[in-house]
Amino acid sequence: QSVLTQPPSVSAAPGQKVTISCSGSSSNFGNNYVSWYQQLPGTAPKLLIYDNNERPSGIPDRFSGSKSGTSATLDITGLQTGDEADYYCGTWDTSLSVGVFGGGTKLTVL
Amino acid sequence: QVQLVQSGSELKKPGASVKVSCKTSGYSFKTYGMNWVRQAPGQGLEWMGWINTRTGNPTYAQGFTGRFVLSFDTSVSTAYLQISSLKAEDTAVYYCARDRRISIFDYWGQGTLVTVSS
Repeated sequence: QSVLTQPPSVSAAPGQKVTISCSGSSSNFGNNYVSWYQQLPGTAPKLLIYDNNERPSGIPDRFSGSKSGTSATLDITGLQTGDEADYYCGTWDTSLSVGVFGGGTKLTVL
Repeated sequence: QVQLVQSGSELKKPGASVKVSCKTSGYSFKTYGMNWVRQAPGQGLEWMGWINTRTGNPTYAQGFTGRFVLSFDTSVSTAYLQISSLKAEDTAVYYCARDRRISIFDYWGQGTLVTVSS
C-alpha cells in the first residue's frame, strides 16, 4: 500500500485533457515538493515535473503540475497516443525519512 | 550528456548474492547523490534508499536494511547495489536514479532485472 494515493487508471480521447490526482498527508506534501514521473511501457521512469510545477528541459508544456495542501495534480493537455504510460507522483516523507511514490496511474488514450 | 548505464540482467538462486552497477557519465559524480528504486513485476515504484556521494553515508528505507548495501567507487563514477541472501521476492527491476535534490530523481538508469529462482 503506497503512502501517496493515485487513481489506478484514467482514460481520455486524443486531443483531450486528463488530470491525474495524487493525495498525501502533512508529513509528505506538507513541507515538500512533488515530482511526477512518466514510465512508458518497458522503459525506465522519466522526470516530468519537479518542485510541484517545474518542467525539466525538453518536457513539452502540455504537461503541467500543481499542488494544494496535501494534494497534487498532473494535467496533460492535447493527449497523444504516445502519452500512454504509467504516471507516478513522488516526494519525501519527513516523518518516515524516506522517499515515497504513489501507486501509479495507467493512462489510456482511447 | 548525463548517462546512467546499469549492468545486465542477473539470474540467481535463492541464498546467493548479486551486485548491480550503475556507471555514470556527463557530470561530476560527487555533486549528486544516488538513489535506488525497486519495481517488482507488474508493480509500482518503491524507493530503497540513497547514498551521499560526498560523505559516503547511505540511507535505507524500512524493508531494505540488513541484506541491502549501497556503495560507490568515485574513481570509476559508479554506484553499486549489493543484495545478499537473495529471496524469490527480490525478483524485480532495480533502477539507479540521480538525486537532483532530495527525492527528485532527474536521470535514471535503464534498469537491471534480477531474477531469483531455483
